[in-house]
Amino acid sequence: KAGVTQTPRYLIKTRGQQVTLSCSPISGHRSVSWYQQTPGQGLQFLFEYFSETQRNKGNFPGRFSGRQFSNSRSEMNVSTLELGDSALYLCASSLLAGGHEQFFGPGTRLTVL
Amino acid sequence: DQQVKQNSPSLSVQEGRISILNCDYTNSMFDYFLWYKKYPAEGPTFLISISSIKDKNEDGRFTVFLNKSAKHLSLHIVPSQPGDSAVYFCAARPISSGNTGKLIFGQGTTLQVKP
Repeated sequence: KAGVTQTPRYLIKTRGQQVTLSCSPISGHRSVSWYQQTPGQGLQFLFEYFSETQRNKGNFPGRFSGRQFSNSRSEMNVSTLELGDSALYLCASSLLAGGHEQFFGPGTRLTVL
Repeated sequence: DQQVKQNSPSLSVQEGRISILNCDYTNSMFDYFLWYKKYPAEGPTFLISISSIKDKNEDGRFTVFLNKSAKHLSLHIVPSQPGDSAVYFCAARPISSGNTGKLIFGQGTTLQVKP
């Protein structure tokens, strides 16, 4: 069974731009969570989606948003990029809503210049 | 504030010996605890989990112990192998998250297993 896939793997943007990252969960998994990993803050929860609905949101500004499609694929968007948004963005899928055993993709490395 | 802490940034052990990775949490409002392993340029890989109502869970070479009175979690790897060299994260799911997929992670411990 294929794992979680994320595209693109690497991305370079400039301040003020916006970016969209994509995540395809493991086949059959319906819940997708997003995390941001930075050297200073570690892994921090962004949001979780299940059945196209956001179920929980972390402590991030409104510039960070996401959505989920009917096939469980998810996208996250960051608008008006800031230098501090440079990070590894990880997507994780689980079988059920609120699943504690989450399976991560390889991440998208975003660099904001 | 719900926090999960890994106070040791690194650990070095000899191949074949036991590796013990530690994690502390600051309150009791978590229902599941998990351990993940992460290699460079890859996402975290789920290793093992434990419910807050249990005190031990085993899976092959990996055993997780939960000491609720001490608010302490540990992962034992026996025997350690060079391929176990990676960054290990402990994580916990807050009960207050309302049965959603929010996990809170520690800062990670880098394990090096020497041949």
